[in-house]
Amino acid sequence: GDSVTQMEGPVTLSEEAFLTINCTYTATGYPSLFWYVQYPGEGLQLLLKATKADDKGSNKGFEATYRKETTSFHLEKGSVQVSDSAVYFCALNGRGGGADGLTFGKGTHLIIQP
Amino acid sequence: DSGVTQTPKHLITATGQRVTLRCSPRSGDLSVYWYQQSLDQGLQFLIQYYNGEERAKGNILERFSAQQFPDLHSELNLSSLELGDSALYFCASSGAGTGGTEAFFGQGTRLTVV
Repeated sequence: GDSVTQMEGPVTLSEEAFLTINCTYTATGYPSLFWYVQYPGEGLQLLLKATKADDKGSNKGFEATYRKETTSFHLEKGSVQVSDSAVYFCALNGRGGGADGLTFGKGTHLIIQP
Repeated sequence: DSGVTQTPKHLITATGQRVTLRCSPRSGDLSVYWYQQSLDQGLQFLIQYYNGEERAKGNILERFSAQQFPDLHSELNLSSLELGDSALYFCASSGAGTGGTEAFFGQGTRLTVV
């Protein structure tokens, strides 16, 4: 079945550092890919998405490119802020049948220190 | 604010009991999804309803059931509760049934089984 693998962390960085959170996936067909963010005590919010190969999703300084050849969707940000501290989830929505809900990775806890 | 409302926010109950979690989707969204978030299993898709009909099933236990009413709100019923059912339960909604559509998440119901 579909699966998503991401580094679990915690990942601790200093403010203004470069961020990469790796995400790889296994899916049949051509899934859509997402990054969601969860701030403490809140629900998940969509950060960005890409629906086909080579698409780049971007939002709030974060970017991720849908790489079909490496089945990856790594999240990057050039200069992180303390307010970016949260848990980040990589997810996919398969189109090949089966359960139609999102399949999530385990989440990466990001801590940004001033 | 995602527009998805979940009640109650917190629930504490004893083993063997039954509870009902409620979700009101964003205005106009026809799809409702239920997810369970626990420390050991991460975020797991449980079930999806689309315009009142069950659309897809994920890792939902037989003790759990859901329905979506004509006004599109949904309820998740959990019965014969066990300690291991303690988790955060999220509802999400989207405007369509499949594919790359963004899902909007509620803030969740935290269930504690004692």
